[in-house]
Amino acid sequence: QVQLQESGPGLVKPSETLSLTCTVSGGSISNFYWSWIRQPPGKGLEWIGYIYYSGSTNYNPSLKSRVTTSVDTSKNQFSLKLSSLTAADTAVYYCARGDQRLERAFFDYWGQGTLVTVSS
Amino acid sequence: QSALTQPRSVSGSPGQSVTISCTGTSSDVGAYNYVSWYQQHPGKAPKLMIYDVSKRPSGVPDRFSGSKSGNTASLTISGLQAEDEADYYCCSYAGSYTYVFGTGTKVTVL
Repeated sequence: QVQLQESGPGLVKPSETLSLTCTVSGGSISNFYWSWIRQPPGKGLEWIGYIYYSGSTNYNPSLKSRVTTSVDTSKNQFSLKLSSLTAADTAVYYCARGDQRLERAFFDYWGQGTLVTVSS
Repeated sequence: QSALTQPRSVSGSPGQSVTISCTGTSSDVGAYNYVSWYQQHPGKAPKLMIYDVSKRPSGVPDRFSGSKSGNTASLTISGLQAEDEADYYCCSYAGSYTYVFGTGTKVTVL
């Protein structure tokens, strides 16, 4: 059974950079697209971006200028960096597995989510 | 890239059927047969219920079904049960290797 686990700081200051890591267990990170998705408190889901095990990426146009993702296949991990944080970036951040085909817009395995609060 | 439009809430009595709509545009829902649906209970991660418009992952009850017509996708829950009370989100491929989620719908079992 594939499992995903997010890790990273729960509190980040405004203007700083958020860094999160997702560790994949029970399966290989290869051959799948891996996404970051966030959910502000009491609000809906927002797709942030994906990374393929080969390192190719794409991001939500509304966040593209502030987002970077990376992958470490040796550790079965992928990571998210989001810069220039404001209070609007406060959210639960999820990592999730996509399909082997990009267009098939579904996520079948999710991490439990980690709440990141942006506050001084 | 705007969020797909869902009704804020729908409700039904146990045993009844409810349908949740997910309206997009000819650039997302209307352009591709790649719509998925997620169930989210409070404090939990979303769970995949439907993919590729109408396919059910293993383990999802056949009470859940999906369809699409034009720019609108729909999720129908038949034989509503108490445990179906949750938030539901749709998601569509939006072209250029991006995805867009719906605004979310709260399902209440009366």
